[in-house]
Formats: sequence, structure tokens, C-alpha cells
Amino acid sequence: DAGVTQSPTHLIKTRGQQVTLRCSPKSGHDTVSWYQQALGQGPQFIFQYYEEEERQRGNFPDRFSGHQFPNYSSELNVNALLLGDSALYLCASSLGDSDTGELFFGEGSRLTVL
Amino acid sequence: QQQVKQSPQSLIVQKGGISIINCAYENTAFDYFPWYQQFPGKGPALLIAIRPDVSEKKEGRFTISFNKSAKQFSLHIMDSQPGDSATYFCAAPSSNDYKLSFGAGTTVTVRA
Repeated sequence: DAGVTQSPTHLIKTRGQQVTLRCSPKSGHDTVSWYQQALGQGPQFIFQYYEEEERQRGNFPDRFSGHQFPNYSSELNVNALLLGDSALYLCASSLGDSDTGELFFGEGSRLTVL
Repeated sequence: QQQVKQSPQSLIVQKGGISIINCAYENTAFDYFPWYQQFPGKGPALLIAIRPDVSEKKEGRFTISFNKSAKQFSLHIMDSQPGDSATYFCAAPSSNDYKLSFGAGTTVTVRA
């Protein structure tokens, strides 16, 4: 049973560039959440996708956008990169109708902005 | 937005000792409080979770204690082992939706 997979694992960008990160959820899961984890910090909620719609959003600027595809996979896009966007970006999948909130995380995409 | 306060930031314990991590939360939409374990270079993995129809849940050497009136819950790691060295995060649902908010994390180091 494949878990949550993310790509790429590492990438380096320069300020002002754009980046796209990809996520495939755990088999059977239909909901994808994205989190940003700065070094030494807990994951911060960016947004959640369910049924190809953004269902919830955290306190992140519009430079952060996403998409969910019919197969439940998802992309996170960040435009006009800033140095402060350097972080580990985590994708987590879950069941949309579950009230446990149980999240299964991928290993993340480490973004470095120079 | 849900605020989850976690302490201590780090702790060192001898092998066989007890590690205790505490978390406090604000109002939640529903009662589900998980703990996640994260090793360097890996994503967080669910360790143990509690639904507060009980005040305590134990799984092996890991125990969650929950105090609903105080809005606090804690993780106890009994007989700590070097393999338990990791960062632990508590989490709580927000007050009006299903997303989880995480504490800042506690780095546990178990010395052999």
C-alpha cells in the first residue's frame, strides 16, 4: 500500500521564481492538505483540497495556490518566491468524511530560496 | 486560528527514563488530539491519538493523558529508548473546521 509520495524531494530556486510541488495521496484517500514547516518549527497549515476544490485555507498569501486533480493528486504552486519561503513543504492525505482529522504525511519537499 | 502551546522545547532523558511533553489548546470543533513523531529528514508520522471520551490512552510505552476542563493533554514516554530520539508534535483541531494545528515541537534526546 503506497503511502503519500511527494516530488521533488529537494529543490533550489532564486528569489522571484515560481515553484510547483506535487503530491500523490495514500491509496483510498481523497483529501490533501499542504503544510509549511520552517526549520525548528511545527507544520503550518497552508490549505486543504477536497473534491478538487480548496476547502480551507490558512494564513498564507495568494502567492500560494494549489490544485487537486480527479485522481486526488495535488500540486502546490508558489509564485514570486521570497527568501522566507525556504522550508520543508509537507503534503498530508486523509479521508474527507472522517472527523478524526488523521493525517498521513509524505516526506516533504525541501525548498531552498537563494 | 487555533493556538497550540507545547512545552518543553527540548528535553534530554537517560535510557529507561520517562519523557513528558505537555500541550495546551483553545476551543476545538471536535475532540481528537494526536501526537506525531518526526525523525530528521522525514515527514511526521502519527504516533498515538486520543478521543476524549477517555482521560487516558496507552499504546505500548506511549501514553496520552487528557484534561478536558484545563484544555491540556500530555504525552508520556515510558522506558525511553535511544530510538525514541525524535521531535514530537502535538496537534488539535481548530475551533470551526477540520484542519489540525500543530505545536512548535519538542526535541527528545535519549542518552544511552
